[in-house]
Order: sequence, then structure tokens, then C-alpha cells
Amino acid sequence: AQTVTQSQPEMSVQEAETVTLSCTYDTSESDYYLFWYKQPPSRQMILVIRQEAYKQQNATENRFSVNFQKAAKSFSLKISDSQLGDAAMYFCAYRRGGGATNKLIFGTGTLLAVQP
Amino acid sequence: KAGVTQTPRYLIKTRGQQVTLSCSPISGHRSVSWYQQTPGQGLQFLFEYFSETQRNKGNFPGRFSGRQFSNSRSEMNVSTLELGDSALYLCASSSNRVSTDTQYFGPGTRLTVL
Repeated sequence: AQTVTQSQPEMSVQEAETVTLSCTYDTSESDYYLFWYKQPPSRQMILVIRQEAYKQQNATENRFSVNFQKAAKSFSLKISDSQLGDAAMYFCAYRRGGGATNKLIFGTGTLLAVQP
Repeated sequence: KAGVTQTPRYLIKTRGQQVTLSCSPISGHRSVSWYQQTPGQGLQFLFEYFSETQRNKGNFPGRFSGRQFSNSRSEMNVSTLELGDSALYLCASSSNRVSTDTQYFGPGTRLTVL
């Protein structure tokens, strides 16, 4: 069975600084996708960034980038130039590839606080 | 384009009752998934529907059931409610046209069981 582990329950960062959230996963499959979702307090979960396992290049979306280490099964999220609006719970998630299912397996989340 | 909508947003029920939650996916999306979010267990997959067929089910008791209609709207039902069923229930939809499709989440239904 696939598992996703986020070892940092809480993190804090100063506004304009950079923070890295950690995620490790376990799978025996070769075709899969990894995601970071953001859930602000009392607001909807939104996708931050996605990584296809077959792509060696790390995904980037504006201030958000990932460090995908396939052999180590590590998938960390780096947030640059942190903003107050980045404060939220961040979930790392895994999805099997192939298109047969959209089932996401989530980690336990990291609560990110941004200090002004 | 309207996002994923869930109704009702809040529900209070008592033990033993049953409840039905509704999810309307984004127009054109044929896949709907349901998740339960609790402080203790985190986000857990309930089930997934695609074109009115359940194609995946999580590890939940039979009290949890769902269905999808021809217009892709989905409902989930929980019978004989227990205190532990108190949670935020999230619905997510995707078009499923390609395997890289993004899932979009609704705001959730917060169920409180007294």
C-alpha cells in the first residue's frame, strides 16, 4: 500500500523569507503523480503544484517549487518570498498513474504560519 | 465557470440518524471523489465515481454509501450516525479526460453528530 509522510506538523517563516516543507512517500509503482495542496483556514483546498513521476525536471509554479528525489522517495515544497496569504495547512498527496483512479492519498499535513 | 459546490455547508445530527450530502461537480467533469477530514485521522478517501459507476472505495463501513447521477452530481449517505462520523466531508471533481487532470475541491460539508 502507498503511504505519504509529512514529518513537520508545524512550520513558521518570516514574510519574504523561504521555507521548505518535507514529504516522503512509499510506493512500489513506477507511474504516479505527487501533489501539494493548500488548505487555508475555513477555505477550500486548492492545488499548489503537481509533479509527474516520469519527469526528471522539478515542477515550478511562480514562488512555489518542488525538489523531487525519486530514488529517495522525497518530495519537498519550497516557498520563496513567503507572503501572509501563504499561511495555511499544506498537504502532500500521492495518486497512482494510468488514469484509472483519481484517489489521492494524503499526508497528515504541515501547518505553515507566516510572521509579518 | 462555477466551482465544485457542496450542500449543505453545515449539518447537525444526532446519533442513529442518517444524513445525505450532495456534491455538484464543475460543469463537464465526470469524476467525483469523496473524502472525510478529521483532526485525528486526517484526510481519508471514501469513494470515487466516474460516469455513474463506483470505481474505487476506501476502507469505511457499509454505513457509508454514495451514488452518482447522470448529470454527474453525486450524493453520499451515512446511515446510523455515530459520534465519530463528525467531520468535514470534501468532494472533488475532475474531467478525467487525461490522467494529468487536476482535481478541484469543494468547500466541504461540516457534519456534527451529537
